[in-house]
Amino acid sequence: SQQGEEDPQALSIQEGENATMNCSYKTSINNLQWYRQNSGRGLVHLILIRSNEREKHSGRLRVTLDTSKKSSSLLITASRAADTASYFCATDAQGGSEKLVFGKGTKLTVNP
Amino acid sequence: NAGVTQTPKFQVLKTGQSMTLQCAQDMNHNSMYWYRQDPGMGLRLIYYSASEGTTDKGEVPNGYNVSRLNKREFSLRLESAAPSQTSVYFCASSAEDVRAGGYTFGSGTRLTVV
Repeated sequence: SQQGEEDPQALSIQEGENATMNCSYKTSINNLQWYRQNSGRGLVHLILIRSNEREKHSGRLRVTLDTSKKSSSLLITASRAADTASYFCATDAQGGSEKLVFGKGTKLTVNP
Repeated sequence: NAGVTQTPKFQVLKTGQSMTLQCAQDMNHNSMYWYRQDPGMGLRLIYYSASEGTTDKGEVPNGYNVSRLNKREFSLRLESAAPSQTSVYFCASSAEDVRAGGYTFGSGTRLTVV
């Protein structure tokens, strides 16, 4: 069963705007990860945030984690057409194995 | 190039046929995984292998078998393909501590069962 659920399912913005995607999950976690998938390709790891962290940055990416609400957000600033892709959150299960459970993804379209 | 290699990239099977999807990684990762991706369903774990010689079922294992041939290779077998197994299959691997860099995915195998 899906652990993480992304919101919205689809997002369309103009180049230069910021894009925010949200992820909610059900059980306690050790860490939460975000992945990007370009059309027809495999997933690429973007960023990992641990359960004891609240915010993390990597280039134009900003991830927040609120364990009390069991939610995370991914912000892409100053978006580019090349950011067009699907974005997935993935969680492990605290005390469980290292396998990840993925959400259904947010399809982001950045229009030039 | 270092990474995860999947073969074949595309395959069409008739119902009842069998085939094996191959996956190999050259990053010395201990853990390997097989996922399937269907429209609107995200990725679902079929089987995984935490280390050489061990395999465990994931969320949707029915109709599949796996073999962890050695540390590098993890194959997925469909013994009698069914149309419900039409999907895109991804192999992934990870270091013992996924915090080191998450999963590395292959480019996928697009399978159609007719």
